[in-house]
Amino acid sequence: AQKITQTQPGMFVQEKEAVTLDCTYDTSDPSYGLFWYKQPSSGEMIFLIYQGSYDQQNATEGRYSLNFQKARKSANLVISASQLGDSAMYFCAMRAWVGSQGNLIFGKGTKLSVKP
Amino acid sequence: NAGVTQTPKFRILKIGQSMTLQCTQDMNHNYMYWYRQDPGMGLKLIYYSVGAGITDKGEVPNGYNVSRSTTEDFPLRLELAAPSQTSVYFCASSFGGQVANTEAFFGQGTRLTVV
Repeated sequence: AQKITQTQPGMFVQEKEAVTLDCTYDTSDPSYGLFWYKQPSSGEMIFLIYQGSYDQQNATEGRYSLNFQKARKSANLVISASQLGDSAMYFCAMRAWVGSQGNLIFGKGTKLSVKP
Repeated sequence: NAGVTQTPKFRILKIGQSMTLQCTQDMNHNYMYWYRQDPGMGLKLIYYSVGAGITDKGEVPNGYNVSRSTTEDFPLRLELAAPSQTSVYFCASSFGGQVANTEAFFGQGTRLTVV
């Protein structure tokens, strides 16, 4: 069965510092994708970054990077130079293909608070 | 671009009532999903569809029904509403098939309260 685990219910970071949000996953499918979404207090889901299981390099999108360690089954999100607007819930998600026909499952999320 | 449109945005239902949450997308996505998000929690998959005429259960399907008669529309039906169905509901869509690197686009959500 597929599973996403986010072990940090809440995190604090000082403005302009970097922060790492943890995500571990479990799947027996060889082909899968890992996603991070941001949910601000307004409630919408905003896609941040994607990492494929066969990608050789870690994904980066602006201030976001994904630290992908396949052997450890981890896909941590790194936010550099935190801004006040980064305060939000962050969800890690996974889609696998062989056994699940493309289900997109989510972790429980991490609430990030950026301090001025 | 409209993207994924959900209606209504808010709704209060009485116990035992029924309602349909509407979801439509204009991106020609074959995959569509319904999630519920309880306070302080992640998203749980209710139902999903890989194309018109094909639907399947997710993690928490009890008390819900779906249909997918067209590529664009994926309504979620609540029969006999219960307080446990108080939640925020999200519809999402994506391209599917053997292409895992396609993010899902989400609607704005429907906040449902059952009293």
